[in-house]
Amino acid sequence: EVQLVESGGVLVNPGGSLRLSCEGSGFVFANAWMNWVRQAPGKGLEWVGRIRAFAQGGTTDFAAPFQGRFSVSRHDDGNTMYLMMTGLKIEDTALYYCTTEGFTYGFHSHDSWGQGTLVTVSS
Amino acid sequence: ALTQSASVSASPGQSITISCTGSNNDIGYYNYVSWYQQVAGRAPRLVIFGVTSRPSGVSDRFSGSKSGNTAFLTISGLQAGDEADYFCASYTSSRTDVFGGGTRVTVL
Repeated sequence: EVQLVESGGVLVNPGGSLRLSCEGSGFVFANAWMNWVRQAPGKGLEWVGRIRAFAQGGTTDFAAPFQGRFSVSRHDDGNTMYLMMTGLKIEDTALYYCTTEGFTYGFHSHDSWGQGTLVTVSS
Repeated sequence: ALTQSASVSASPGQSITISCTGSNNDIGYYNYVSWYQQVAGRAPRLVIFGVTSRPSGVSDRFSGSKSGNTAFLTISGLQAGDEADYFCASYTSSRTDVFGGGTRVTVL
């Protein structure tokens, strides 16, 4: 069974930086494309970005609001993906989910989700 | 973001259809539309991928379709357990993903 566990969410000051982690188990992590999706309190889902498997180049894509401010990396030996966030703003307050993309089902579908880790940006 | 109606309500046993409108650069460009169910307090769950396909374990009461730049999720034989927020998503020509704003389904 695919399991994803996010961690690292805390209270951080505006302008600060934070690194989130997502550890996967129950599947071959190195073969998976991984994503971050966030959800502000009481709001909808917002796609943040993805990292491809190294077999497909390990490259990343980001939604426009996050380009240059957020980065994603992966450490396949530890079955872990990271989201590095810099220049945090109050509006970055959200529950951050990691997902697998097209691993079990079709391309470009988020087929497994973690439970999320809460990031709060406030002074 | 893709455009979804804010809410829909119906009685048990009825059918509902949720629409999700995008553009030529997302829904109209690829057949990579997916739908997610989010019950209150829970993580989202994939219910439709590739416009029309269902993951294993998802009831066949859930079906998806697409016409031009608009995708649809139909839930037939509505049940109390279907009460949730539903989000559409699409891959785009810019190699990004985009989600809809969500539709709240209420079972009367």
